[in-house]
Amino acid sequence: GESVGLHLPTLSVQEGDNSIINCAYSNSASDYFIWYKQESGKGPQFIIDIRSNMDKRQGQRVTVLLNKTVKHLSLQIAATQPGDSAVYFCAENILPGQNFVFGPGTRLSVLP
Amino acid sequence: NAGVMQNPRHLVRRRGQEARLRCSPMKGHSHVYWYRQLPEEGLKFMVYLQKENIIDESGMPKERFSAEFPKEGPSILRIQQVVRGDSAAYFCASSRQGSEAFFGQGTRLTVV
Repeated sequence: GESVGLHLPTLSVQEGDNSIINCAYSNSASDYFIWYKQESGKGPQFIIDIRSNMDKRQGQRVTVLLNKTVKHLSLQIAATQPGDSAVYFCAENILPGQNFVFGPGTRLSVLP
Repeated sequence: NAGVMQNPRHLVRRRGQEARLRCSPMKGHSHVYWYRQLPEEGLKFMVYLQKENIIDESGMPKERFSAEFPKEGPSILRIQQVVRGDSAAYFCASSRQGSEAFFGQGTRLTVV
């Protein structure tokens, strides 16, 4: 289930189930989006990206969905594994040449 | 191709000292971004630089903080007269124009 922790919302899923992590972005003009995974003590790691001219993009076990109408981005992880436990951030880039703005993050906890 | 290199990984400074954080972008990347992260929180944008230019410093405190990305050498984030509230993880990312940003492993600054 999903709960709000002290700072980061947490999503707990059973190993083997699918995970869906959601992100609301701020600017309707944003044209490029990235999902990052951050493990404890490490820097954010690029997972998958999508441009605003697409609504879906698939990688290995991950799918990103973009709904521009409601400014919503989601990351789907198939067959979640213990190694997927981390904090996941979405980032939006409004225009090339501008910085990336990060969402607040979601902690994914995979239960055995 | 080495990733984004940040050093030092850990830095301890006494109140009032200066902290210098270095970031060497990936080869071929001319865009550098600095972010700050407190424990259990998201990434807060500080500054975005291209070679020899500050593009966006809207997230940088007006006093004590400065950043540069010279023509040769790494990008430097400099914090003068550090205070306890500066203790955080500082992450650097680099990218090509309009492409994904890759992060370093961060510098964890502790002010004692």
